[in-house]
Amino acid sequence: RKEVEQDPGPFNVPEGATVAFNCTYSNSASQSFFWYRQDCRKEPKLLMSVYSSGNEDGRFTAQLNRASQYISLLIRDSKLSDSATYLCVVNVKNSGAGSYQLTFGKGTKLSVIP
Amino acid sequence: GAVVSQHPSWVICKSGTSVKIECRSLDFQATTMFWYRQFPKQSLMLMATSNEGSKATYEQGVEKDKFLINHASLTLSTLTVTSAHPEDSSFYICSAPQGNGDGYTFGSGTRLTVV
Repeated sequence: RKEVEQDPGPFNVPEGATVAFNCTYSNSASQSFFWYRQDCRKEPKLLMSVYSSGNEDGRFTAQLNRASQYISLLIRDSKLSDSATYLCVVNVKNSGAGSYQLTFGKGTKLSVIP
Repeated sequence: GAVVSQHPSWVICKSGTSVKIECRSLDFQATTMFWYRQFPKQSLMLMATSNEGSKATYEQGVEKDKFLINHASLTLSTLTVTSAHPEDSSFYICSAPQGNGDGYTFGSGTRLTVV
């Protein structure tokens, strides 16, 4: 089982649509969770951290369910500029080194169509 | 905010040559630097973790003699791809934790093409 699994996509949605991304992770000892956005041929950029209480940033809402090891991202009123690949990222403890490191999902590509 | 400057942005090299990629933390000290590789339509895969003043830790399947990592100072980590082959063509990117436990700053990535 992959450590971080996401919907494969791609998602093609019209402007103004609401779109949801799902993600599951396998390591129950994971400490922190994020959604990153990656544009084509660019580095990933932090979109938002994800907390158990759920958090919202404008049109973006992230949810975490530790019991089911599930993370979600909801984008409301999608814009053309939201077109990108969305990466689910988990901070996992490296059992060998005792330190934490980021583990990335494969990403889900979103295309918002005029 | 914290910035990691990565150079070069892209490089084309011949098979058999070596390529050095640099990542510098500009306004913070990076005691740790993570090096990732991303093939097209794939996720970022951690290759190795460099620590200032000590040997790098390589992930399983990554050849340490081929991907040389040096972290000689608190602001500079380098990755050298030695004897590059076409299959090494990929997007290489570095990332440093910001020291607050959660934040990570990424370099802008290096697109390597080996011909």
